[in-house]
Amino acid sequence: DGGITQSPKYLFRKEGQNVTLSCEQNLNHDAMYWYRQDPGQGLRLIYYSQIVNDFQKGDIAEGYSVSREKKESFPLTVTSAQKNPTAFYLCASSIRILYNEQFFGPGTRLTVL
Amino acid sequence: GESVGLHLPTLSVQEGDNSIINCAYSNSASDYFIWYKQESGKGPQFIIDIRSNMDKRQGQRVTVLLNKTVKHLSLQIAATQPGDSAVYFCAEVNYGQNFVFGPGTRLSVLP
Repeated sequence: DGGITQSPKYLFRKEGQNVTLSCEQNLNHDAMYWYRQDPGQGLRLIYYSQIVNDFQKGDIAEGYSVSREKKESFPLTVTSAQKNPTAFYLCASSIRILYNEQFFGPGTRLTVL
Repeated sequence: GESVGLHLPTLSVQEGDNSIINCAYSNSASDYFIWYKQESGKGPQFIIDIRSNMDKRQGQRVTVLLNKTVKHLSLQIAATQPGDSAVYFCAEVNYGQNFVFGPGTRLSVLP
C-alpha cells in the first residue's frame, strides 16, 4: 500500500531539547510539506520541499529545521529555539509542489514537558 | 483523540439529514479548491476537489459548489451518517504559489 507514515504518534520531550519527527512516503511524490496544527486554527506551513536537496521556509519556520536527502524522507527537527512547540504536526506530500492535492500522514503529537 | 479544533464552529445534524458546510476563501485568483475531512487523532483525508472553471462537482454522497462571485465554497453531504462526524476544512490553491487551508468546521452527527 502506498502512503505516508509518521513516527512516533506521540512524542514527549523536555524543555530545551531538540527532537526529530519522521516522515516517509512511498508515493513517489516530488513535493513534501510539514504543517503545524493548533486547536481552533487551520494548518500552518512550516517548511516545504519541491525536490531532493531543496527546501523552503513556510509561514512559521522559526525554531524548526528540515532536510531532504532522499525523495522518500523529509524529517522535521523541532529545536529548543521554538518557543511553543507543543502541537500536532502533520506531514504531507503531493505530485508537484503547491499544485495537486496533498496527501497527509497520520500526524505526530508533540508535548513539551 | 487529538484536541484539534476545540474552538471551531460546529454544525450539528440529525443522522439521515443533509449537511452543508461552508467556506469563504480570500483570493479571487485561486485556481483550485479542495475539501478535506479530519477525524479525531488522524491526518486530513481528501474528499473532493473542484477547479476554478467549474461551479459544481459531485462525488459519492458529496457535492461541492463554487460561487466565485462571492468567493464561497460549500460542501454538501447527503444522508449524513455517524461516520461523517469530523472536522472539515477547505483549501484554496494558487498553482505553484500557495496552498491555504481554512480553519475548519466540526460536523457532529446526532443519532
